[in-house]
Amino acid sequence: GENVEQHPSTLSVQEGDSAVIKCTYSDSASNYFPWYKQELGKRPQLIIDIRSNVGEKKDQRIAVTLNKTAKHFSLHITETQPEDSAVYFCAASKGINAGGTSYGKLTFGQGTILTVHP
Amino acid sequence: GAVVSQHPSWVICKSGTSVKIECRSLDFQATTMFWYRQFPKQSLMLMATSNEGSKATYEQGVEKDKFLINHASLTLSTLTVTSAHPEDSSFYICSASLVDKQYFGPGTRLTVL
Repeated sequence: GENVEQHPSTLSVQEGDSAVIKCTYSDSASNYFPWYKQELGKRPQLIIDIRSNVGEKKDQRIAVTLNKTAKHFSLHITETQPEDSAVYFCAASKGINAGGTSYGKLTFGQGTILTVHP
Repeated sequence: GAVVSQHPSWVICKSGTSVKIECRSLDFQATTMFWYRQFPKQSLMLMATSNEGSKATYEQGVEKDKFLINHASLTLSTLTVTSAHPEDSSFYICSASLVDKQYFGPGTRLTVL
């Protein structure tokens, strides 16, 4: 099955700096890569996603890049703010083209605890 | 849009009892829902995939007779933890699929005494 590795496990930055979190995946058939932000005791919230037919996607201060050949993707947060502090999870799935009962099944990375210091 | 609710938000029960958790997609229909378990400071571990009108698919190592899943309608899936024990204490989160995106419920904190 799919295996997703995420690094670093913790990341501490000063407000205004950039933060980068990296993930690698093992299954070349994976074609959908979302990123979730989870605050303590809360639900994971989808912040950005990318499909395998795209190399980069940006939404304001957040961007995701995908390298299909190397099977890795990264989350970039610019101009970080204290409210960006949370746990971030990457995930991979076979998305909409999956067949059978594994439709859209997500495999998560281990998570990165991001702390933004004021 | 794409709101998922979960009930209850927390539950405390005695060892040996059963607990039912509900997951609802409020503003969309979800053919597929997923159940996850999350231990403190750890990632989300998929327990099972719930498909409307058919049997759930369980991940390896998850006991289907202990974690009963029912997906009776396009907006409701339930997870029943049968004969709960202290080691079942965890944060249980459901998600519902809309196209290929997953939207998560707020989670249920289960504590088994």
